[in-house]
Amino acid sequence: GESVGLHLPTLSVQEGDNSIINCAYSNSASDYFIWYKQESGKGPQFIIDIRSNMDKRQGQRVTVLLNKTVKHLSLQIAATQPGDSAVYFCAEIGDYGQNFVFGPGTRLSVLP
Amino acid sequence: DSGVTQTPKHLITATGQRVTLRCSPRSGDLSVYWYQQSLDQGLQFLIQYYNGEERAKGNILERFSAQQFPDLHSELNLSSLELGDSALYFCASSVTGLGYEQYFGPGTRLTVT
Repeated sequence: GESVGLHLPTLSVQEGDNSIINCAYSNSASDYFIWYKQESGKGPQFIIDIRSNMDKRQGQRVTVLLNKTVKHLSLQIAATQPGDSAVYFCAEIGDYGQNFVFGPGTRLSVLP
Repeated sequence: DSGVTQTPKHLITATGQRVTLRCSPRSGDLSVYWYQQSLDQGLQFLIQYYNGEERAKGNILERFSAQQFPDLHSELNLSSLELGDSALYFCASSVTGLGYEQYFGPGTRLTVT
């Protein structure tokens, strides 16, 4: 399929290394944050979420960190694999689910 | 497979025309969301329906409209199409209307010539 985000920032990592993808969000009143993964030609896929009353949440090989002081969100992927190559979006939700804003995305490229 | 279906997969039409995109949510999901994704942009939220009623509105143009039917499927209508409307259109669904855990469909690629 056609690539999304031709001019996105790109993070290149070696297979097996850890990846950290960052996201700045805009609304200090947002109360829910999500990371999505979008592979070429497919729709975004839910990875992990975190509520604003938490600062860290772990999933399988992924960890999301939330720093509300500086309005910053990060996604850490452990032992990055070729299948992790994709565009990653953060999303913030606020106003009781009536305000959705997606970040511009970061392209993760895993090098063999 | 997210369980969300969208038809058609591809659509090519001319400027000034009108098209309808269709979305069927996952079984049990009451809320449907529509997004537009251009090549050089991220996902732009257009509109959300919950159990047949409009719940939230984003950057949706007046030329665009949507509705959710009693069987919970949704349609996005795009009229007076312009070249700039060429994009991927995604539908997502969730159980609640609060935007949590949205599951996305495969998208409809619209090309306006």
